[in-house]
Amino acid sequence: LAKTTQPISMDSYEGQEVNITCSHNNIATNDYITWYQQFPSQGPRFIIQGYKTKVTNEVASLFIPADRKSSTLSLPRVSLSDTAVYYCLVGAYNAGNMLTFGGGTRLMVKP
Amino acid sequence: DARVTQTPRHKVTEMGQEVTMRCQPILGHNTVFWYRQTMMQGLELLAYFRNRAPLDDSGMPKDRFSAEMPDATLATLKIQPSEPRDSAVYFCASGLGPGINQPQHFGDGTRLSIL
Repeated sequence: LAKTTQPISMDSYEGQEVNITCSHNNIATNDYITWYQQFPSQGPRFIIQGYKTKVTNEVASLFIPADRKSSTLSLPRVSLSDTAVYYCLVGAYNAGNMLTFGGGTRLMVKP
Repeated sequence: DARVTQTPRHKVTEMGQEVTMRCQPILGHNTVFWYRQTMMQGLELLAYFRNRAPLDDSGMPKDRFSAEMPDATLATLKIQPSEPRDSAVYFCASGLGPGINQPQHFGDGTRLSIL
């Protein structure tokens, strides 16, 4: 199972672009990369998922290099409401209970 | 916007009591997940179901925990007897696809305190 490593915390300011990188050196061929966001007292919320290259939706972009050993979640022009914990998950459809959320990255957006 | 509904939102009870947590998945979602979140362990997958059948419950302590789906609109997680170490936030999530790595839609959790 691919173990993931993310920074514990990051600070940013309103209006800036934030990039959160996740390392997953032993990612397997069938593994997908998924990012979630969690606010206090709420359940995680799906942000984006990808397999390779770049994926973009209305909320974020996900950049995955050719070797897939890392991925970067990019949040354009963050606001105070983007302050949350961001989790990177790596796994295949049949990972079962081996698909773990890890510690996540606590993003603090300042005015 | 369709949401996963969990009840109760908060539960405080004494050690030894039975606790039942309920989850209504998003209509049409065939996969249901149960998680537990604590400060020390983070988010742990306890069990998940596909078309109401358990696919993997290896993350769940079998002696006191049980998870069921009486029908497609209701999932339950029971703890009997409860212990103080069970205090945590329990999340239910649902999804459309068959796999564990599909986008999951989470409820807002049941905050459980066992005294």
